[in-house]
Amino acid sequence: GAGVSQSPSNKVTEKGKDVELRCDPISGHTALYWYRQSLGQGLEFLIYFQGNSAPDKSGLPSDRFSAERTGGSVSTLTIQRTQQEDSAVYLCASSSPGMVNSPLHFGNGTRLTVT
Amino acid sequence: EDQVTQSPEALRLQEGESSSLNCSYTVSGLRGLFWYRQDPGKGPEFLFTLYSAGEEKEKERLKATLTKKESFLHITAPKPEDSATYLCAVPTSGYALNFGKGTSLLVTP
Repeated sequence: GAGVSQSPSNKVTEKGKDVELRCDPISGHTALYWYRQSLGQGLEFLIYFQGNSAPDKSGLPSDRFSAERTGGSVSTLTIQRTQQEDSAVYLCASSSPGMVNSPLHFGNGTRLTVT
Repeated sequence: EDQVTQSPEALRLQEGESSSLNCSYTVSGLRGLFWYRQDPGKGPEFLFTLYSAGEEKEKERLKATLTKKESFLHITAPKPEDSATYLCAVPTSGYALNFGKGTSLLVTP
């Protein structure tokens, strides 16, 4: 079946602009995660959604970052007033049934470049 | 603070030359240790979950083992298609996974 889909695959934006990154998880997966992967760094957790529960936003690096998940499916990560240090690959993952030991299924990411 | 450290950062092997990758962790109350494979330009792909010391899991040329402080990913007679970055991760106190920085493996013919 279809895996996790992310769009766009690449995004180049100017410093100070807002960007929206989209994630379409595997159908039926109740848990959705956003991670960030910078060059030479490990994956950095950003935010976690599980069903209708309040999201775990503990990994968001600043208030310029926000995310929402509509209808328990598609998620959008928004970065406002982008900075050069925001350049990274943003990865989305989903899992079922959202337990801590459920394997994550990752999309191929959005490569964000802030110029 | 929970930490995951992988070594070496990079490893170059000749085809057929077996070796091991290391993942050491410090976490209170381990709730599983995960191994993922990541190819360039792709998202990580799940390989194994290990839950308790002494546990082993195998998949083709890969075998993952777990002790109380570290995990090893043994690669037996690797092939060029095994070239990838291998990531290990442990759950945090919440639902997030804390990933190591990975080992970049290159297998040459």
